[in-house]
Amino acid sequence: AQTVTQSQPEMSVQEAETVTLSCTYDTSESNYYLFWYKQPPSRQMILVIRQEAYKQQNATENRFSVNFQKAAKSFSLKISDSQLGDTAMYFCAFMNLGGAQKLVFGQGTRLTINP
Amino acid sequence: ETGVTQSPTHLIKTRGQQVTLRCSSQSGHNTVSWYQQALGQGPQFIFQYYREEENGRGNFPPRFSGLQFPNYSSELNVNALELDDSALYLCASSSRRPGQGYNEQFFGPGTRLTVL
Repeated sequence: AQTVTQSQPEMSVQEAETVTLSCTYDTSESNYYLFWYKQPPSRQMILVIRQEAYKQQNATENRFSVNFQKAAKSFSLKISDSQLGDTAMYFCAFMNLGGAQKLVFGQGTRLTINP
Repeated sequence: ETGVTQSPTHLIKTRGQQVTLRCSSQSGHNTVSWYQQALGQGPQFIFQYYREEENGRGNFPPRFSGLQFPNYSSELNVNALELDDSALYLCASSSRRPGQGYNEQFFGPGTRLTVL
């Protein structure tokens, strides 16, 4: 079974700073995806960024980038030039491409961006 | 393009009752997954429906059941409600094609269920 661990329950930074959220996972699979989702107080789960396990290049989406270390099974999210709208719960998630393609989520990190 | 919608938004039930939650998938999507998110936790996979059949199930008891209709909308039914069933229930739709790799899941806003 796959597990996803987020060791930072809460983080807080000032607006415009850079923040890094940590995630580790455990799997014996070789063909999988990793994700970071954002869940604001509105509750809607929004995909921030995804990484394909077979790609060595780290994914980037505007101010969001990941550091994917496959051997260490580590997948961190870096948010540059943080904005007030980045305040939300952030979930790291894993998906094995076989079977039902279910998402396995970590416990989440509550990120607060202060003005 | 209409996104994923869920109804109702909030629901209060008492222990032992039954509840039905509804999800309308995004236009063109044929797969619906249901997740339970307890307060302060990450979502947990309940089950998935693909073309009206169950296509995978998480570690949930049989009193959690579901349906998918020909228009690919879906229902989650929970019988004999327990206090621990209080949670946010999220559905996500995607468009699966045989032999295709990754299919992005698009989430609805969720239904908040409170069991008293």
